[in-house]
Amino acid sequence: KQEVTQIPAALSVPEGENLVLNCSFTDSAIYNLQWFRQDPGKGLTSLLLIQSSQREQTSGRLNASLDKSSGRSTLYIAASQPGDSATYLCAASTDSWGKLQFGAGTQVVVTP
Amino acid sequence: GAGVSQSPSNKVTEKGKDVELRCDPISGHTALYWYRQSLGQGLEFLIYFQGNSAPDKSGLPSDRFSAERTGGSVSTLTIQRTQQEDSAVYLCASSLEGGAPQHFGDGTRLSIL
Repeated sequence: KQEVTQIPAALSVPEGENLVLNCSFTDSAIYNLQWFRQDPGKGLTSLLLIQSSQREQTSGRLNASLDKSSGRSTLYIAASQPGDSATYLCAASTDSWGKLQFGAGTQVVVTP
Repeated sequence: GAGVSQSPSNKVTEKGKDVELRCDPISGHTALYWYRQSLGQGLEFLIYFQGNSAPDKSGLPSDRFSAERTGGSVSTLTIQRTQQEDSAVYLCASSLEGGAPQHFGDGTRLSIL
């Protein structure tokens, strides 16, 4: 069974610093990996999706890498802002149906 | 609307009652998913629909849980004889097709007294 782990569970950084969020998974036979953001009391917002054939995806200040051989994905957020404060979740899918196995998330606080 | 809509946003009910949770996916999205988010278990997959059929029900925790989807659109998750451990936020997501980026609703917060 696929297990997804996110470390650390919480992170606090000053505004302007780059954020590095880590995600590891046990089964390298993934179909894709997605990063989400969750604000308190809200659903999840999709940030980036990396297909298994890709090594990275970029959107604005966000960049996500995928290394299947080591079972790791990293989300980089450049020049963090207080509005980036949220919980970030990664999720791996091991089939084309898209069923997601989630990590527990990293709670990020960006201080002004 | 433009996004996934779930109703009700909050539901409080007594143990033993049945509840129905509704999900309106984004128009044109053929894939629909239900997940559950609780403090102790994190986010767990419940069921996946492709059109009106459910090829993956592997996450439903017991036979008290059932779901259906009609017209390739609206889905209803039903929990019978609710128990306190059913208290959680139930999230619905839809995507253009299986494996595409999933778009989530804000969830239904279910509290069992």
